[in-house]
Amino acid sequence: AQSVTQPDIHITVSEGASLELRCNYSYGATPYLFWYVQSPGQGLQLLLKYFSGDTLVQGIKGFEAEFKRSQSSFNLRKPSVHWSDAAEYFCAVGLNTGGFKTIFGAGTRLFVKA
Amino acid sequence: DTAVSQTPKYLVTQMGNDKSIKCEQNLGHDTMYWYKQDSKKFLKIMFSYNNKELIINETVPNRFSPKSPDKAHLNLHINSLELGDSAVYFCASSQDLKPPLHFGNGTRLTVT
Repeated sequence: AQSVTQPDIHITVSEGASLELRCNYSYGATPYLFWYVQSPGQGLQLLLKYFSGDTLVQGIKGFEAEFKRSQSSFNLRKPSVHWSDAAEYFCAVGLNTGGFKTIFGAGTRLFVKA
Repeated sequence: DTAVSQTPKYLVTQMGNDKSIKCEQNLGHDTMYWYKQDSKKFLKIMFSYNNKELIINETVPNRFSPKSPDKAHLNLHINSLELGDSAVYFCASSQDLKPPLHFGNGTRLTVT
């Protein structure tokens, strides 16, 4: 069955430190890949997406992600975290199953300490 | 200028009641969705509509009935509410049945 795994339920990083959030997917072909961020009480905002082409994609707010086909991974990175980055981060895959379906991972909660 | 708007933001009701959540998007998209986010933040698709036609119905109890009067609106009516229906419900939209999705801010439903 198709699935999206975010192995870290929560991560704490110091402000100014680098960040990497892990995401692995299980799907026969290369799906569309996404990272979304959810601040408390808010909806999900798209950070970046990968459809094809260059495997390193740039997103908003200084985030980037790298698609690695051999590892079925799409990890999110940021070189220097700001306190305002504290939020829930969701990795997602878009699958065409006779109607596009976006399947989400369980999320990783990011805490930023001063 | 809100792109995907849902009302109400909060909904508290008793078991057995019937309630509706409304969603409107002004992005000009032709596809709309309902997602349910449970207490552990897990997001699961419930329905998708394209140009008012039901595309995905993800084994949701038939107490849940979506209605799309036009491609800019997708409402969710829930009959005979149960405790397990308590969750945050998100409306989303996209173009041509494809991602990425644009989300509303959610409706927190609490059933007591």
